[in-house]
Amino acid sequence: AQRVTQPEKLLSVFKGAPVELKCNYSYSGSPELFWYVQYSRQRLQLLLRHISRESIKGFTADLNKGETSFHLKKPFAQEEDSAMYYCALGNSGGSNYKLTFGKGTLLTVNP
Amino acid sequence: GAVVSQHPSRVICKSGTSVKIECRSLDFQATTMFWYRQFPKKSLMLMATSNEGSKATYEQGVEKDKFLINHASLTLSTLTVTSAHPEDSSFYICSARDLPRNTGELFFGEGSRLTVL
Repeated sequence: AQRVTQPEKLLSVFKGAPVELKCNYSYSGSPELFWYVQYSRQRLQLLLRHISRESIKGFTADLNKGETSFHLKKPFAQEEDSAMYYCALGNSGGSNYKLTFGKGTLLTVNP
Repeated sequence: GAVVSQHPSRVICKSGTSVKIECRSLDFQATTMFWYRQFPKKSLMLMATSNEGSKATYEQGVEKDKFLINHASLTLSTLTVTSAHPEDSSFYICSARDLPRNTGELFFGEGSRLTVL
């Protein structure tokens, strides 16, 4: 079974402060990890994926297989980063592909 | 990026009626689409995987006779909530992968909010 845990439902920081949204996963196979974001009144969209190893909007996330984690980080939060963030785990299942989401963390960046 | 569109975005119906929600991939073909249900302040729960030309695969605990899924073409999947009841009120979201152009990313529809009176 595949499982994603986001321990923080809510996270509030001030503008310019560092932010880290935690994500841990459980999966016996080779995982594909993603971060999706949902801004207010918008649809869910991909923020970044671990295989790309890229920085999007200043956010980065490193897959740590030893700790089974994929935490999302940004050194200096901006007000426009306020949104719901979901960590997601894909099972590389080919025709049986499944993407499992964590419960999400609502990030609020205060001015 | 690829675009997935859902219709209707909002629907209100009486208890006992059936409601159909459409999910279309606008600029790509999707052999597989996914239907999620989003509860207030909770995560997205995968309901079923819709496969073009074959039966949908339902997740454990999801009633397949209650939530009928049809994926008759490469660009359209439909979810029909049959004999809807107030507890079926929720936000339903579909998604699809554009496999030829990317690896793993899901593109999401805007969601459909169902309210059963």
